[in-house]
Order: sequence, then structure tokens, then C-alpha cells
Amino acid sequence: GDSVTQMEGPVTLSEEAFLTINCTYTATGYPSLFWYVQYPGEGLQLLLKATKADDKGSNKGFEATYRKETTSFHLEKGSVQVSDSAVYFCAHAGGTSYGKLTFGQGTILTVHP
Amino acid sequence: NAGVTQTPKFQVLKTGQSMTLQCAQDMNHEYMSWYRQDPGMGLRLIHYSVGAGITDQGEVPNGYNVSRSTTEDFPLRLLSAAPSQTSVYFCASSTGGLAGANVLTFGAGSRLTVL
Repeated sequence: GDSVTQMEGPVTLSEEAFLTINCTYTATGYPSLFWYVQYPGEGLQLLLKATKADDKGSNKGFEATYRKETTSFHLEKGSVQVSDSAVYFCAHAGGTSYGKLTFGQGTILTVHP
Repeated sequence: NAGVTQTPKFQVLKTGQSMTLQCAQDMNHEYMSWYRQDPGMGLRLIHYSVGAGITDQGEVPNGYNVSRSTTEDFPLRLLSAAPSQTSVYFCASSTGGLAGANVLTFGAGSRLTVL
């Protein structure tokens, strides 16, 4: 069945370090791919998305590229800040799965000054 | 705009009790859904709705009931609470159509503990 697998966490970095959080998926057809972020005490919010192969989603310095050949959607940021500390979720939605997302298990990121 | 409002934020139940988690959105979104968040398991879909009067089951529907009598409201009912239902519950909504349906707006969550 459809699934999303994220790298094990938690991830702890110093401010200005480079961030990569790996995400791979299994799905039928051509899903849309998403990264959602959850700040402490809040609900999830959309960080970025990509709807077709080779698309690059970007927002707030974060980027992820839809790689169909490796079924991956890794999240990257060149220089993290303390304010980026949060839980990051990779997710996908199938072509006809309107509003029904499959989420990964989440990766906790902590950034120290 | 309030967005998606969930109540209560915290609730403690005893095994066998019933309760309703409330969810309301003021964005005139067509789609609404309930997810539960458990450590190490991400979010799992419980029930969803594509419009008033239309609901369907998600991945983990057992023990939960929903109805959607209006566009704005999508309550989640626990019929007979069990300790396995201890979790954080999130309500989400989105617009219809291919572009917007999967861009979810989430509520702040409801933390439920079943003793």
C-alpha cells in the first residue's frame, strides 16, 4: 500500500548548519508530495509542495525536489536557524485522493544557538 | 479569520465513556478530515468529508463516528473510549479542486487521554 518513510530522528544541529531530512514514498500513479511543519503547541502547516516529477518546492529557505526515479522528496536548507526547531512531516496524496494525505512519522529538528 | 477551531484542547476520559471532539472552520472549505497523531507513527486519517452530508472512512475509523450536517462543522464522536484512543487529534480542512484539495489547514489539536 501507499506509504511515506522519513529518516529517523531526532536531528540536532547548530545554527547555520546544513539540513537534510530524507523522505521516500511508495504510491501508485503520480502523487503530489508535501512537507508540513509543526511548531511546538501548534497544528501542522504546509511548508512546500511539488505536484509532478522534477518540480522543486521552496519556501522560507527550504527546498525539496520531486525525484520520481528514486521516489524521494528530501528536504534541505542551507543554513538553519533556532526558529526552524519543529517537527517536519513528509506526505503524499494520490491523484484522486483529494484531501486524504499519507504522512510519514515525522522528524524532530532541534537547532541550538 | 479563525481558520480551523477545535475544542476541547485537552480531555481526560475513563474507559467506556463517550465524547465528541468539535471542529469548525470559517473558510467555506469543502473538504474536512480528522487525523490522529501518535508517537513514531505520524498522522493517520480517521474519517473525511468532501461536503455536507458526505463522509467516508480513512485508515483507522474503528471506534469513531462522524457526520457533516453543515459545511462549517465536522464533529468526531468517540462511542466508547478505549486506552488505545489516547492520542492527539487534528481536524483539517481544504478547498475543493485539484490544486487546493491537498493543501490542508489544521486546527491546533485536541489531546485526549483515556484511563
